[in-house]
Amino acid sequence: TQLLEQSPQFLSIQEGENLTVYCNSSSVFSSLQWYRQEPGEGPVLLVTVVTGGEVKKLKRLTFQFGDARKDSSLHITAAQPGDTGLYLCAGVGGSNYKLTFGKGTLLTVNP
Amino acid sequence: EAQVTQNPRYLITVTGKKLTVTCSQNMNHEYMSWYRQDPGLGLRQIYYSMNVEVTDKGDVPEGYKVSRKEKRNFPLILESPSPNQTSLYFCASSFAPNTEAFFGQGTRLTVV
Repeated sequence: TQLLEQSPQFLSIQEGENLTVYCNSSSVFSSLQWYRQEPGEGPVLLVTVVTGGEVKKLKRLTFQFGDARKDSSLHITAAQPGDTGLYLCAGVGGSNYKLTFGKGTLLTVNP
Repeated sequence: EAQVTQNPRYLITVTGKKLTVTCSQNMNHEYMSWYRQDPGLGLRQIYYSMNVEVTDKGDVPEGYKVSRKEKRNFPLILESPSPNQTSLYFCASSFAPNTEAFFGQGTRLTVV
């Protein structure tokens, strides 16, 4: 089983602060996806990173895929209460067809 | 509207009483999967299906069955539910394992 470790597990910050969450593995992934899940809902895709070293921006969110395709980070600039949610990374690696999820980072942005 | 529909949303049942959670998608996706989500353990894949009549075990398949007789439907069957299967279940579909997965609204199952 290919594991994805996410850190921190919990993060509580004030509106306007910046933050970074991490997704790490000892395995190589062909691509990594980032999802956000709100209470009572299923996860929703934010972005997919495919190329080692790739950086993608989605408004105030910046996603980076490590050069070796074993890790990824999500940076949020000037966090807002609407960013509150569970952030999950997920990937498919090797020759299997399982989509593996990390345990997630639960972010709370206080007004 | 593109969507994955799960039913029921909430279910309370007793130990040993067979149940089925239905999942249907209208996006003509090849890949479908079931997950359970538990506090501290995250989303864990139960079973997945690459196409009609092709299913395989995920990371936590014990106590569950699935079938894929039609492309759009992927029911999850608990033949003899036990309390440790109390969880939040999600069905998801996508064109391929590494493309965007669309999730259903979830089914909160309690086995007493």
